[in-house]
Amino acid sequence: DTAVSQTPKYLVTQMGNDKSIKCEQNLGHDTMYWYKQDSKKFLKIMFSYNNKELIINETVPNRFSPKSPDKAHLNLHINSLELGDSAVYFCASSAGGTTNEKLFFGSGTQLSVL
Amino acid sequence: QKEVEQNSGPLSVPEGAIASLNCTYSDRGSQSFFWYRQYSGKSPELIMSIYSNGDKEDGRFTAQLNKASQYVSLLIRDSQPSDSATYLCAVNSLQTDKLIFGTGTRLQVFP
Repeated sequence: DTAVSQTPKYLVTQMGNDKSIKCEQNLGHDTMYWYKQDSKKFLKIMFSYNNKELIINETVPNRFSPKSPDKAHLNLHINSLELGDSAVYFCASSAGGTTNEKLFFGSGTQLSVL
Repeated sequence: QKEVEQNSGPLSVPEGAIASLNCTYSDRGSQSFFWYRQYSGKSPELIMSIYSNGDKEDGRFTAQLNKASQYVSLLIRDSQPSDSATYLCAVNSLQTDKLIFGTGTRLQVFP
């Protein structure tokens, strides 16, 4: 019944490793997002996809690569993890993708890079 | 100047009091304003949205918008300990076509 689900909830890994976070929404929404929340609670958009098409690609290192196989899924792959990548990553979705709509967030993935 | 600014708090209020949370924004063209509540270790959830000047009430929550002053606030009446959370203000930026979040205000309601 979970509207936006992401896995894993916790990810602890060594510097230099490659990892992926998966996200799925069952709301029938057209747009999905990845947000990063740092230790000071600042929530910043990284990417957004509308119907599998990349719409927003913020100034994010190209070690981060989103992939949307269909409009219900948006995964995030991170290469060569660095200490500064440690944060909580939230997947979200919205019905149409305009900035005046409600965002539905997943439960978050706490990434710790050691 | 940050695009969306909030006092980080904590804002401590006694149970039953009115909690007042404030947010200022820099983009004069912004049209959509949101308040998200985030409990510790949880994801943000929308509690209020407001699009025009004035007040909008929903239960114990009232959002207030003043576009001339570039100011949006959230009032929580009859505050409860369960209201203790971080409240994130979010504003759409017409310049960048993105939703910009503030860093949030931590609210503590003590019995």
